[in-house]
Amino acid sequence: EVQLVEAGGALVQPGGSLRLSCAVSGLPFSRYWMHWLRQAPGKGLEWVSRISDDGSDATYADSVQGRFTVSRDNAKNTLYLQMNNVRAGDTAFYYCAANIDYWGQGTLVTVSS
Amino acid sequence: QAVVTQEPSLTVSPGGTVTLTCGSSTGAVTSRHYTYWFQQKPGQVPRTLIYYTTNKHSWTPARFSGSLIGGRAALTLSGAQPEDEADYYCLLSYSGPWVSGGGTKLTVL
Repeated sequence: EVQLVEAGGALVQPGGSLRLSCAVSGLPFSRYWMHWLRQAPGKGLEWVSRISDDGSDATYADSVQGRFTVSRDNAKNTLYLQMNNVRAGDTAFYYCAANIDYWGQGTLVTVSS
Repeated sequence: QAVVTQEPSLTVSPGGTVTLTCGSSTGAVTSRHYTYWFQQKPGQVPRTLIYYTTNKHSWTPARFSGSLIGGRAALTLSGAQPEDEADYYCLLSYSGPWVSGGGTKLTVL
């Protein structure tokens, strides 16, 4: 059974930092390109970032470029999203997705003072 | 960054057929946009129905199909069921970044 489990969501102050993780099992993690997407409560989906299977290539949405960094540890079957200088607009459920085929349950990030 | 547009809402009768579309501000949507379609029901995680424009997953009901129509990506539902009432999102690749549409709220009524 494929499982993606996000963790790390929390309440964080504007300008603060947070690191999300996504533990993957049930599929050959090192062969999958991984994505982060987010959804503000009651709003639509927004693609955030993706990273290649070997971690050499990462791309970001304009809204997070320069503030967020995606990375992965293929030995640990884990994906990460380092979020720096967060803003109120970053408040959302953050989902990891393998090839955008398999999704995690999401983790909630709330940015508020 | 490109803007991806979807119909905000559509209504279909039970057993009817409806087509949801997904357009790009940069021009015609083609196979090179590798279109994805997701279904999301209230309180649930999105579920991928279609990938690479036309391909279905093992869990995708046969009544859903993906295509390109008139320069837009399309998701057609043939024989709508009450359980198909949901939000539907498309996602397009732009040779690096991906951009999602605002979603279509589909009502089966």
